[in-house]
Amino acid sequence: DAGVTQSPTHLIKTRGQHVTLRCSPISGHKSVSWYQQVLGQGPQFIFQYYEKEERGRGNFPDRFSARQFPNYSSELNVNALLLGDSALYLCASSLRVNYGYTFGSGTRLTVV
Amino acid sequence: DQQVKQNSPSLSVQEGRISILNCDYTNSMFDYFLWYKKYPAEGPTFLISISSIKDKNEDGRFTVFLNKSAKHLSLHIVPSQPGDSAVYFCAASANSGGSNYKLTFGKGTLLTVNP
Repeated sequence: DAGVTQSPTHLIKTRGQHVTLRCSPISGHKSVSWYQQVLGQGPQFIFQYYEKEERGRGNFPDRFSARQFPNYSSELNVNALLLGDSALYLCASSLRVNYGYTFGSGTRLTVV
Repeated sequence: DQQVKQNSPSLSVQEGRISILNCDYTNSMFDYFLWYKKYPAEGPTFLISISSIKDKNEDGRFTVFLNKSAKHLSLHIVPSQPGDSAVYFCAASANSGGSNYKLTFGKGTLLTVNP
């Protein structure tokens, strides 16, 4: 069985640019969450989507947005990139909102 | 404000000995706790969890202890193996509250098990 798949694995962007990160959940999982992990810190919650609706949002600026598609895959969009957005972005999927999160390997975003 | 704290950035133990990783939390709404293990270039992998109605949960070499009055939990690994070397994250959620959709993580503890 395929696990949580994230693409791309690595990405380099310039300040001010826009980026789209993608996540495919485990088959049958209807919930997708996004986390940001800055070097030396634990993952920090950004968004959760369940059945294509936003269920929760963390303390991130409006430059961050996300959506979930009918096939339960998800995109995380970040506009007007800042150097501080450089981080590992993790996607996690689960059957339900608060149960059994499985993480992908992440997308390493570097903003220069 | 950091609601989940792992005060030891690193821990080094000998193979075969016990590893004890500690975690403290401040939010009394947290009622479900998890430990994740993370290798470089991989996502966090779920290890073991415990609900606040329990004070101990065991799974093979891994045991998690919860002390609700002290708002403290610990992960015991016995015996420790070199393959256990990784960053360990403590995480918590408030399943009975309004924010049951997210996990709050600590900063992690780097465990090194020496052969």
